[in-house]
This record gives sequence, C-alpha cells and structure tokens, in this order.
Amino acid sequence: DGGITQSPKYLFRKEGQNVTLSCEQNLNHDAMYWYRQDPGQGLRLIYYSQIVNDFQKGDIAEGYSVSREKKESFPLTVTSAQKNPTAFYLCASSPARGNRYEQYFGPGTRLTVT
Amino acid sequence: QKEVEQNSGPLSVPEGAIASLNCTYSDRGSQSFFWYRQYSGKSPELIMFIYSNGDKEDGRFTAQLNKASQYVSLLIRDSQPSDSATYLCAVNMDAGGTSYGKLTFGQGTILTVHP
Repeated sequence: DGGITQSPKYLFRKEGQNVTLSCEQNLNHDAMYWYRQDPGQGLRLIYYSQIVNDFQKGDIAEGYSVSREKKESFPLTVTSAQKNPTAFYLCASSPARGNRYEQYFGPGTRLTVT
Repeated sequence: QKEVEQNSGPLSVPEGAIASLNCTYSDRGSQSFFWYRQYSGKSPELIMFIYSNGDKEDGRFTAQLNKASQYVSLLIRDSQPSDSATYLCAVNMDAGGTSYGKLTFGQGTILTVHP
C-alpha cells in the first residue's frame, strides 16, 4: 500500500524547544518537499530535495533544517529560531522527472508551540 | 516573482450546477498545471493535471488550459455538497527542468455547494 506518512498528527511543544517532524514515502519518488500552511493561507515551501544528501531552501527556510539520508525519508526540524512555528506542516513527494511533476501529500502534522 | 492567482471566493453554487474555478499564472514558460482539493483540516489531494492546451475531462471534472492567455480553469459538473472544499491551483514554472519539480501554488478558492 504505497503512500506518504507523517507523524505525529498533532504535536505540542514549549517555546524554545527544537522539534522534528517525520516524513516517509514508499512511492519510490525522487523528490520530496516540506510546506507550511497557516489558517486561510496557501502553501509556502520550506525545503525541497531531489536526491539523497542534497536539498535546497524554499521560500521560508529560516528557522528550519532538513536532512535527506535516505530516498524514503525527509525529516524536518523546527528550531527555536523559527519565530512563529505554530502551523500545519505538509510533506509531499513527486517523481519529478520526465513530465511527471505532480506532487502527492502526506496527511500533515499540526504543530502547536506555546 | 513568479505568481499564481486565484479568486479566493467563497464561490457558492447550488447542488447540480456547474462550478467554475479560475487560475492565472505569470510565467509564460510554465509547462504543467495541477488542481488540488483540500477539505478543511486535511491535506491537499490531487484531482486533475493538464499539460496541453485544450480540455481534459475526468468524470465530473474538466480542466481547461489556455497557455496564450496564461489561464487554467477547473469545471465541476453536477456539483455535490461533498465537493465543498478549497481548490488549489498549482503550476510547474520550470521549462528547463532545474527546479526539482517545484510547484507554485495559488491561495486557493473556497467552494461551497448548497443543497
């Protein structure tokens, strides 16, 4: 059963703590992405990766970090430097080759920092 | 700044009507166009993609692309209350293949189908 999993679904943290959000895919997709969505807003790209051990900053990378040690996994760390971390975080993957650029999303992690 | 623009709505249509959702994009070199549906509190779900000028139909959904006018639309025929959601337009603005499949998303249009 192929798909993208994100865990946990809900996450609560105290201000000043780093937190890592998990994203795993078994679709054999090359590219993976992290987005942030705030209430009533569109999707904003945080980081993306095409291949293992390589990733690029998106539009709002400050206060976030990622790693891509395996093709299947692309964890996101929200650091204490992120000023407004409370948001809905979405991970996506894509074949990103030929003309196959559609992205498939995981169920998301809702992070609340107080 | 490469942009994708959508009317935020909300767009309200009666059950059984045709809902028409519109999207314009700024980069003339864009190649791939996608429509996602997002229910409240859920993640976006891909419902249509289109690469060539013209219409593409899938069940009750039709995507229309006009590259000359930089315009893509989604028509939903026989709208149902279950179609009530936010619809996101997304565009791959990289003809050269260097963007790792990045998509630029519009802000989304809220659709409400009332019985």
